[in-house]
Amino acid sequence: KQEVTQIPAALSVPEGENLVLNCSFTDSAIYNLQWFRQDPGKGLTSLLLIQSSQREQTSGRLNASLDKSSGRSTLYIAASQPGDSATYLCAVGLGNKLVFGAGTILRVKS
Amino acid sequence: GAGVSQSPRYKVAKRGQDVALRCDPISGHVSLFWYQQALGQGPEFLTYFQNEAQLDKSGLPSDRFFAERPEGSVSTLKIQRTQQEDSAVYLCASSLGTAAVNTEAFFGQGTRLTVV
Repeated sequence: KQEVTQIPAALSVPEGENLVLNCSFTDSAIYNLQWFRQDPGKGLTSLLLIQSSQREQTSGRLNASLDKSSGRSTLYIAASQPGDSATYLCAVGLGNKLVFGAGTILRVKS
Repeated sequence: GAGVSQSPRYKVAKRGQDVALRCDPISGHVSLFWYQQALGQGPEFLTYFQNEAQLDKSGLPSDRFFAERPEGSVSTLKIQRTQQEDSAVYLCASSLGTAAVNTEAFFGQGTRLTVV
């Protein structure tokens, strides 16, 4: 059974700091990996999608990497801002579904 | 519409009551998914539709849960005889491709169900 783990569970950083969120998965036979952002009481917003044949994707201040062989992905956020405060979820695409981690709660202090 | 729309946003049900949750996917999206998210957890897969066909319902927790998408667009998740453990946020997502997980999934804002 595919298991997805996210570390750390929570993170608090001062504004302007660069940070890395980690995601690991137990089964490397994935179709893709997707990073989402979830604000309190809201649904999920897709940030980056990495296909299994890709190594990384970038969007603005966000960069996500994927190492299938080791079962790991990282989300790098540059020059963090208070508006980045949210829960960040990673999910691996497997068959007809996404399998999610429990998320990292990020707080960026101004 | 511009995004995935779910209604109602909030639902309070008495234990034993039946509820119906609605999802309007992005127009033209072939694939539709339902997920259940408990407090402090990531979403967990419930069921998947490709057009009107329910191809995977392996995540439905019991036979009290039923989903349909009769015309390949709007979907309804029905929960019969609700129990307290059904309290959660129910998320709907849609994606363009038929090889569902190869294309980006877009999520609605969810329906928060509270069973009292």
